[in-house]
Amino acid sequence: DARVTQTPRHKVTEMGQEVTMRCQPILGHNTVFWYRQTMMQGLELLAYFRNRAPLDDSGMPKDRFSAEMPDATLATLKIQPSEPRDSAVYFCASVATGGRKTFGSGTRLTVV
Amino acid sequence: GESVGLHLPTLSVQEGDNSIINCAYSNSASDYFIWYKQESGKGPQFIIDIRSNMDKRQGQRVTVLLNKTVKHLSLQIAATQPGDSAVYFCAENMGSRGNQFYFGTGTSLTVIP
Repeated sequence: DARVTQTPRHKVTEMGQEVTMRCQPILGHNTVFWYRQTMMQGLELLAYFRNRAPLDDSGMPKDRFSAEMPDATLATLKIQPSEPRDSAVYFCASVATGGRKTFGSGTRLTVV
Repeated sequence: GESVGLHLPTLSVQEGDNSIINCAYSNSASDYFIWYKQESGKGPQFIIDIRSNMDKRQGQRVTVLLNKTVKHLSLQIAATQPGDSAVYFCAENMGSRGNQFYFGTGTSLTVIP
């Protein structure tokens, strides 16, 4: 089965450090999403891209978060500087037009 | 504001019994709904979807019911198996919002062998 691949699976970092999370969408999927999951807030949409162009990043704190798609096979989510409240599981998902969204296994981020 | 919520955060059922997971939504303009299953350490996985022009849809061992009058969605799992143990989310979407879905906080289903 085709998969969305996220790296790293786990990341522990100190407050103030830069964190980069990576996502390889399924080949042929033209829309890529970044979600954050916490116990308190559940799944929240941070940003999404279509054909590599950012369409909506209104859910993302702009002062410290940035999302990019350098090419069709890679999406990145960066946090700089990281804070303890950023601790969460970050999911990437991709979908082809008219298709169903497929989620990756997530990056569990802990900021201490 | 908009919210998608679940009535019960946890549900335990005996293996072989039927499970019913409920979801309330607040946005009457939502026209598309999805149920996801999330196992520990994994991302959400699509189970079944339903559009607002339907009130029932069946899949393999799963049925989704939509009651637009009371803005309620339910997922029924027949003959629940240990492999069904997971957290289940409903998500709603308004067509006008494109790919933006609102997710509930989830119900944790535990199947007792």
